[in-house]
Amino acid sequence: AQSVTQPDIHITVSEGASLELRCNYSYGATPYLFWYVQSPGQGLQLLLKYFSGDTLVQGIKGFEAEFKRSQSSFNLRKPSVHWSDAAEYFCAVGADTDKLIFGTGTRLQVFP
Amino acid sequence: EPEVTQTPSHQVTQMGQEVILRCVPISNHLYFYWYRQILGQKVEFLVSFYNNEISEKSEIFDDQFSVERPDGSNFTLKIRSTKLEDSAMYFCASSFMGGRSNNEQFFGPGTRLTVL
Repeated sequence: AQSVTQPDIHITVSEGASLELRCNYSYGATPYLFWYVQSPGQGLQLLLKYFSGDTLVQGIKGFEAEFKRSQSSFNLRKPSVHWSDAAEYFCAVGADTDKLIFGTGTRLQVFP
Repeated sequence: EPEVTQTPSHQVTQMGQEVILRCVPISNHLYFYWYRQILGQKVEFLVSFYNNEISEKSEIFDDQFSVERPDGSNFTLKIRSTKLEDSAMYFCASSFMGGRSNNEQFFGPGTRLTVL
């Protein structure tokens, strides 16, 4: 069965520091992978997605993620975090059909 | 930029009552979804809907739940007799394509349902 693991429940970084949020997936075939961000009181906004091709994908707000098949990972990175990046981040995998399977999320806190 | 909208933003109801959560998907999208997120837990898929019928549902989506597209713009989720454990944030989503194609789903802001 498909599953997504986000090992870090809560991460705290200083503004300007680099960020990496971890995501591991379990899926038998080539996955479709997504990162969504949820700000307080807001819906889920798509940051980036991987379907095929270049394993390093660029997203909005300066985020990027790298698909590593050998590690079953799709980690999200940003070189310099801004205070406005404080939010909850969800990794998701596209399953065999229409549904997305989400991880439990990582809450990012940014200190000035 | 087109977006998915949901009403109400917060619904409080008594256990056993019926609730209808409403969504307006992006206008040219063909696939519609409901997900829910119990406080502190992951976002879970409930149901997908295409061509006026359910295309997939999870084990959560039992006989107490139903979905409908009553007109060309709205997509609703009905819970017939709410239980305490139905308290959650309910997200509507839509996509132009479905399945394992370019399945970029756009999410609404959610409706927080509180069952007392």
